[in-house]
Amino acid sequence: DGGITQSPKYLFRKEGQNVTLSCEQNLNHDAMYWYRQDPGQGLRLIYYSQIVNDFQKGDIAEGYSVSREKKESFPLTVTSAQKNPTAFYLCASSPTPGGTEAFFGQGTRLTVV
Amino acid sequence: AQSVTQLDSQVPVFEEAPVELRCNYSSSVSVYLFWYVQYPNQGLQLLLKYLSGSTLVESINGFEAEFNKSQTSFHLRKPSVHISDTAEYFCAVSELLTGGGNKLTFGTGTQLKVEL
Repeated sequence: DGGITQSPKYLFRKEGQNVTLSCEQNLNHDAMYWYRQDPGQGLRLIYYSQIVNDFQKGDIAEGYSVSREKKESFPLTVTSAQKNPTAFYLCASSPTPGGTEAFFGQGTRLTVV
Repeated sequence: AQSVTQLDSQVPVFEEAPVELRCNYSSSVSVYLFWYVQYPNQGLQLLLKYLSGSTLVESINGFEAEFNKSQTSFHLRKPSVHISDTAEYFCAVSELLTGGGNKLTFGTGTQLKVEL
């Protein structure tokens, strides 16, 4: 089955710790994205990558980092510099060239305790 | 910069009644428009999309949306809703990125609650 897998589904982190969210896709898509979802604010773009070994900041990149060493993987690290990390994180991918929709994973809910 | 406005944060409706979820966008270029649906604690699923051609697009589960360029709108409608339609609905506009790929800008979402 083709799709996007995010893990874990729920994640708890202590303040001051970095944590990495996993995103894997087997759709052979070139582009991958990370969005953050907060109640009443819709989805906001954190980072995106259009090709392996290249990525760009989105609208709210501060406190986050990513890597794209393989086409199928785009992990997101939430660093201790992120002031308010508790949120629902969604990974997505899309084929290129553009113009088509993005396909989403099931999300990871991160809670800082 | 593109933006999407969903004015209604919540829309309660009785089962079998019609519903309209409003979406307006701003963009200086040609756009691709999407509606996504999200069930609790899940990812987003594509409901329907407008890329080009006919301004009325339909989904397999009875939803439809009409692209209105003059009003910069892409409202979502269903003539008769079902309990299972209860979910959050997001309108999105796509911006093509240099080098390929597309950046989706989302509205803040509309929670549709269908009641018996």
